[in-house]
Amino acid sequence: NAGVTQTPKFQVLKTGQSMTLQCAQDMNHEYMSWYRQDPGMGLRLIHYSVGAGITDQGEVPNGYNVSRSTTEDFPLRLLSAAPSQTSVYFCASSYGSEQYNSPLHFGNGTRLTVT
Amino acid sequence: QQPVQSPQAVILREGEDAVINCSSSKALYSVHWYRQKHGEAPVFLMILLKGGEQKGHEKISASFNEKKQQSSLYLTASQLSYSGTYFCGTEVRNTDKLIFGTGTRLQVFP
Repeated sequence: NAGVTQTPKFQVLKTGQSMTLQCAQDMNHEYMSWYRQDPGMGLRLIHYSVGAGITDQGEVPNGYNVSRSTTEDFPLRLLSAAPSQTSVYFCASSYGSEQYNSPLHFGNGTRLTVT
Repeated sequence: QQPVQSPQAVILREGEDAVINCSSSKALYSVHWYRQKHGEAPVFLMILLKGGEQKGHEKISASFNEKKQQSSLYLTASQLSYSGTYFCGTEVRNTDKLIFGTGTRLQVFP
């Protein structure tokens, strides 16, 4: 049972490049989310999804797109990378859209550097 | 709007106790607590729902005061393994968003 798998673990981009951070879970979780973590800022919610075909914005959605075509996968797209997007990105999932009683399971993170 | 955690950092000797607080300006439905060790992903500790309940996880317990929109995490007889950054996550009623505080860094020394 792999849990939440994120790829790649590390990535360096040049300003203006695009890329997709992959996230997959094998626990049949309905709820998936993306957070970014910066020093002193904690974990900030980028986008989330309560089920396949449904996505919504979090606290800091600008510059990021998501889609949820399957229950298992929730990729995060950076269309035109900027240095301000240098961060550690975590994908997380939980059982149901009723978030209040479902703990989040986190992936191991993707460390992204934009030069 | 991020919940506010205090203190920002705590330094303890093994065996000492600590309290970490989490407060929100919005009416909360639930509070989550997670611990993150350096270079690793956050790990779930516990969830507290409305009603002022208290939960425990080994020697770590927490309370949730719904009226004050506050939660506190209690670490008793701290161990070296308790070192890390603790995050509270809050869910506002009728949203699907779990919003985290900025974290409290806890260091336990022998």
